[in-house]
Amino acid sequence: AQKITQTQPGMFVQEKEAVTLDCTYDTSDPSYGLFWYKQPSSGEMIFLIYQGSYDQQNATEGRYSLNFQKARKSANLVISASQLGDSAMYFCAMREGSGGYQKVTFGTGTKLQVIP
Amino acid sequence: DARVTQTPRHKVTEMGQEVTMRCQPILGHNTVFWYRQTMMQGLELLAYFRNRAPLDDSGMPKDRFSAEMPDATLATLKIQPSEPRDSAVYFCASGLPGLSTDTQYFGPGTRLTVL
Repeated sequence: AQKITQTQPGMFVQEKEAVTLDCTYDTSDPSYGLFWYKQPSSGEMIFLIYQGSYDQQNATEGRYSLNFQKARKSANLVISASQLGDSAMYFCAMREGSGGYQKVTFGTGTKLQVIP
Repeated sequence: DARVTQTPRHKVTEMGQEVTMRCQPILGHNTVFWYRQTMMQGLELLAYFRNRAPLDDSGMPKDRFSAEMPDATLATLKIQPSEPRDSAVYFCASGLPGLSTDTQYFGPGTRLTVL
């Protein structure tokens, strides 16, 4: 079974609108972390946001928020007020375990295109 | 602004040649990862180190790939001999377990083309 599933290969959003990128995960470990990374066409991987499995509140970082639904094992990324510069690939990732073990599994990504 | 650096950024070589990629992790980070990204396979973990010791290299073809950390400021990934199927972008990332975010920070990548 896939540990990280991103079901949307590509999405379009109008500039200034909000968009949700889906991510579901599969783990039996009670301690885990969820990440989102952005990869623009230039190729670098940019860390956006993190959610720990024991965090009570959804993580937010500026225009990015993570809609964490633990029972449903989903960790969707919400981008508010989309900008042209948000056009990129977005990867969801999960780190399982604690105690400093940091092996991370990445999803296949969603390509977001922001339309002017 | 602390960043992971990687050299070279681009490498074109011929099949059979040795390729060495270098990574300088963020100062103070004690965990270093090597990933390979291709269109077909996505992002794959090749190996990772903690305090310069290899913890997991199960994702790496052992017959031709080797990864080392000669010191805390340098990680290397070598391919010998290289093959066309090794063409990919190789990312290095570093992190520091125990931080609240447990985040890995990526370098800009080395784009390798093996002819």
